[in-house]
Amino acid sequence: DTEVTQTPKHLVMGMTNKKSLKCEQHMGHRAMYWYKQKAKKPPELMFVYSYEKLSINESVPSRFSPECPNSSLLNLHLHALQPEDSALYLCASSQLAGGPQNTQYFGPGTRLTVL
Amino acid sequence: KNQVEQSPQSLIILEGKNCTLQCNYTVSPFSNLRWYKQDTGRGPVSLTIMTFSENTKSNGRYTATLDADTKQSSLHITASQLSDSASYICVVSTNRDDKIIFGKGTRLHILP
Repeated sequence: DTEVTQTPKHLVMGMTNKKSLKCEQHMGHRAMYWYKQKAKKPPELMFVYSYEKLSINESVPSRFSPECPNSSLLNLHLHALQPEDSALYLCASSQLAGGPQNTQYFGPGTRLTVL
Repeated sequence: KNQVEQSPQSLIILEGKNCTLQCNYTVSPFSNLRWYKQDTGRGPVSLTIMTFSENTKSNGRYTATLDADTKQSSLHITASQLSDSASYICVVSTNRDDKIIFGKGTRLHILP
């Protein structure tokens, strides 16, 4: 299994809603990542988990809350989002964080629309 | 400042033709460089990965080159196909931390 899966594929939510994005990989990777990507822009790093511990938080607003329940799963909890948070949210994993083993495998993304 | 610059920003070629995309970087210390292909609305897919000692690497019709002295890389696509229409992103890693630096990508359009 060389795949990173993400659910849901599409999500529409209001500014008062609470929702979660899910990401899963079964490649035995110990690093997992959340990215935000706006149209025609490169992905922007949000969070990095290494061995299930948060190692990087790129000054992301607290309305985004990551969680890594185990080495295969990564969640992104969303609460009180703004319309400008609408974007493609990409999950990625790599064997390790850093070094040549950090080739990241990306999931298909969740297209989020905040109304 | 660690930066990755790609050119051209967009490129239009006819099906069957070859093309070359460029990537210049100022990332230090350098660990590796990867080219990704991203279809619209989908996640990026890795095409090649090159470390400091590698000059050329091929993956089917894709050939990447790396000149670590001039800090330049290129991605050459031969005999282009309509399915090659996508954004091609150059990504560079450092040995210093867990981050990777993305270029802004080259948007490639293949016309029939």
